[in-house]
Amino acid sequence: QVQLVESGGGLVKPGGSLRLSCAGSGLTFSDYYMSWIRQAPGKGLEWISYISRTGTALHYADSVKGRFTVSRDNAENSLWLQMNSLRVDDTAVYYCARERAGVPIVDDWGQGTLVTVSS
Amino acid sequence: DIQMTQSPSTLSASVGDTVKITCRASQSITTWLAWYQQKPGKAPKLLIYKASTLETGVPIRFSGSGSGTEFTLTISGLQPDDFATYYCQQYSSHRTFGQGTRLEIK
Repeated sequence: QVQLVESGGGLVKPGGSLRLSCAGSGLTFSDYYMSWIRQAPGKGLEWISYISRTGTALHYADSVKGRFTVSRDNAENSLWLQMNSLRVDDTAVYYCARERAGVPIVDDWGQGTLVTVSS
Repeated sequence: DIQMTQSPSTLSASVGDTVKITCRASQSITTWLAWYQQKPGKAPKLLIYKASTLETGVPIRFSGSGSGTEFTLTISGLQPDDFATYYCQQYSSHRTFGQGTRLEIK
């Protein structure tokens, strides 16, 4: 059974940085594209980034481009999101997500980690 | 980027009703569309992909239709467990969600 566990969320001041981690188990990590999806309190889902199986192809939503960096280590079954220059509107639950092989839809989600940006 | 617009934002219905949620894309996405259900405090769950293909284990009262820029999620014979928020997601070009439709009990 696939399990994705995020960590690294917390309270940070505007302009600060945070690094989220996602540990995968029960899957061959290198077989799948991985994504970060966030949800602000009481709001909808926003797909903010995805990374290809080997990490060579990356994509970011305009809202985070230039501030966030996604990376992965298949040997460690790990995914990361480095978040810099954080803003109040980055406050959200951040989900790690596994895409279906060959189809950019989400089959598995982590439990989410809350990032709060506030002074 | 492709924008996805759902309507309505909120829908009130009763158990046993049939409801339809619409999702419109800002440009053609052929049938590269998925639907998810989300309950409070939980991660979303995939219901339908490729516009009309039901995910394994999803009840047949859920159905999807459409192509190009207009899509519909239909729930026939609402059950108490169906009251939740529904999101469409395009995967024709990168990935984008609609803003969501909250289905509430009338």
